[in-house]
Amino acid sequence: KNQVEQSPQSLIILEGKNCTLQCNYTVSPFSNLRWYKQDTGRGPVSLTIMTFSENTKSNGRYTATLDADTKQSSLHITASQLSDSASYICVVSAEERGSYIPTFGRGTSLIVHP
Amino acid sequence: EPEVTQTPSHQVTQMGQEVILRCVPISNHLYFYWYRQILGQKVEFLVSFYNNEISEKSEIFDDQFSVERPDGSNFTLKIRSTKLEDSAMYFCASSTGSGAGQYFGPGTRLTVT
Repeated sequence: KNQVEQSPQSLIILEGKNCTLQCNYTVSPFSNLRWYKQDTGRGPVSLTIMTFSENTKSNGRYTATLDADTKQSSLHITASQLSDSASYICVVSAEERGSYIPTFGRGTSLIVHP
Repeated sequence: EPEVTQTPSHQVTQMGQEVILRCVPISNHLYFYWYRQILGQKVEFLVSFYNNEISEKSEIFDDQFSVERPDGSNFTLKIRSTKLEDSAMYFCASSTGSGAGQYFGPGTRLTVT
């Protein structure tokens, strides 16, 4: 069964600090991995998309890494801001017969304190 | 910047009633999706839709659910006879391609009493 596990479940950091969120998956056949940011009561917003051949991808202060061999990904946030407080969700998609079936992680709840 | 819109933002219905949740995807997108998120739980995939037909659906998407693209702009999710456990946030999403990034709408909070 395809699964996506994220850690930590929650994280509290001070404004300006860096942090790294982890995602482990058992999804096959792997197609792509995405990180989303979800503010409370809102829809997820895409941060990065990575395919099998990509090791790292950046989007501003967000940098995602992917190790397809160990089936691990991380999302690094640099110089955190109060507005970074949100849930960060790892989504891994399997491709079957040209269709993409996403499996969502439970998310890491990040709180940035001033 | 174009965005996915959903209506209503909150729907309250009685158990056994039919509900229709509406979505307007981004205009040049070809793939459409519905997800749900029960309070405190992770987002769950329901269904994907392309070329006027369902391309994939999850185990959650049983005979009580149906989707439709009634015209060139709207994409709807119908729940025929709602149950208490259907209470959740329902998100619509759209994308340009099946493997492309998906843009999510703000969600419709469905409360079944």
